[in-house]
Amino acid sequence: KNQVEQSPQSLIILEGKNCTLQCNYTVSPFSNLRWYKQDTGRGPVSLTIMTFSENTKSNGRYTATLDADTKQSSLHITASQLSDSASYICVVRANTGNQFYFGTGTSLTVIP
Amino acid sequence: EAGVTQSPTHLIKTRGQQATLRCSPISGHTSVYWYQQALGLGLQFLLWYDEGEERNRGNFPPRFSGRQFPNYSSELNVNALELEDSALYLCASSLAGTVFFGPGTRLTVL
Repeated sequence: KNQVEQSPQSLIILEGKNCTLQCNYTVSPFSNLRWYKQDTGRGPVSLTIMTFSENTKSNGRYTATLDADTKQSSLHITASQLSDSASYICVVRANTGNQFYFGTGTSLTVIP
Repeated sequence: EAGVTQSPTHLIKTRGQQATLRCSPISGHTSVYWYQQALGLGLQFLLWYDEGEERNRGNFPPRFSGRQFPNYSSELNVNALELEDSALYLCASSLAGTVFFGPGTRLTVL
């Protein structure tokens, strides 16, 4: 069964600290994996996309990693800011048709 | 290029009523996905439409239904509303491996 699981479900960190969010998937065949940031009450916005051949990709203070062998991805946030408070959603695309599988997200709260 | 649009932004209904939510995908996108995001919970997959047909359905009761029109826009209908249907309903469209989300419709059931 194709699934995407994210952990932790929620996370609270101090401003300026680093954190890592995890995404494990069983989607097969794998096409790509995206991390989205969703501010409260708004639609998710794409942060990064990882394909099978990529194992690290950065977007400012966000760095995503992908291990296609273990089917794991992580999103590392460096020097967190209050504006990083949001839900982070992992989305995996299967390589058959246009089917996407969504994790339920990690809720991150950055406090001063 | 306009993004995914949804209407209305907010919708307030009472228990037992019916709600209709609308979504217009990005021009050229043929797939539309609907998700429910209840307060404090993650995204829950509702429905996937592609080329006018329902391709997949999440674990929701039959009172959640929808359709996709020839211009690829979509409607989500929720019948016999219950209090727990209160949530943000997100629509997303995709083409060639990229998913774009709309801003969502906030449904409140009183």
